[in-house]
Amino acid sequence: SQQGEEDPQALSIQEGENATMNCSYKTSINNLQWYRQNSGRGLVHLILIRSNEREKHSGRLRVTLDTSKKSSSLLITASRAADTASYFCATDPNDYKLSFGAGTTVTVRA
Amino acid sequence: NAGVTQTPKFQVLKTGQSMTLQCAQDMNHEYMSWYRQDPGMGLRLIHYSVGAGITDQGEVPNGYNVSRSTTEDFPLRLLSAAPSQTSVYFCASSYGSGGTYEQYFGPGTRLTVT
Repeated sequence: SQQGEEDPQALSIQEGENATMNCSYKTSINNLQWYRQNSGRGLVHLILIRSNEREKHSGRLRVTLDTSKKSSSLLITASRAADTASYFCATDPNDYKLSFGAGTTVTVRA
Repeated sequence: NAGVTQTPKFQVLKTGQSMTLQCAQDMNHEYMSWYRQDPGMGLRLIHYSVGAGITDQGEVPNGYNVSRSTTEDFPLRLLSAAPSQTSVYFCASSYGSGGTYEQYFGPGTRLTVT
């Protein structure tokens, strides 16, 4: 069974707007990762946040983690057409296995 | 570096046929894994390996075999293809165990079983 669930399933925004998506998970974790997948391509790693971190930034990306609520959010600021993709959170319920959610599909309109 | 490569890119099989999906990485990563991606399901782990000679099952291993004779290669074998194995298959690698390190993904193999 999948550990993580993203919300919303789909998101459509205007270029320049911010996009926020959430990930909830079921069991305690050591780390949480976010990945991007462009249509028909493999996944690309965006950011990793450890369980003892609350917030992390990378360029236009901001990730938060609330272990008490078992949730994380990914914020993309000032979106561009190139941000159109599916975004997945991945958690590590045990050391060797990474569990992915079903993803949020983001469409950025010009 | 080529990163993670997968062959073939596309494949059509008839029910009952067998085949091997190839995966190779040139980053000297110890950890490699295979996922399948179905619409609305995200990625599900099939098998993984923490080093040459060591493999273990993931979430959906039935109908698939793996072996890891070298650090670079991690082939996935479909023993007797079934329509339920129609999916996109991704291979991934990382320096260490799945959660602690970023995963590098291959471009995927789109498999159709008729």
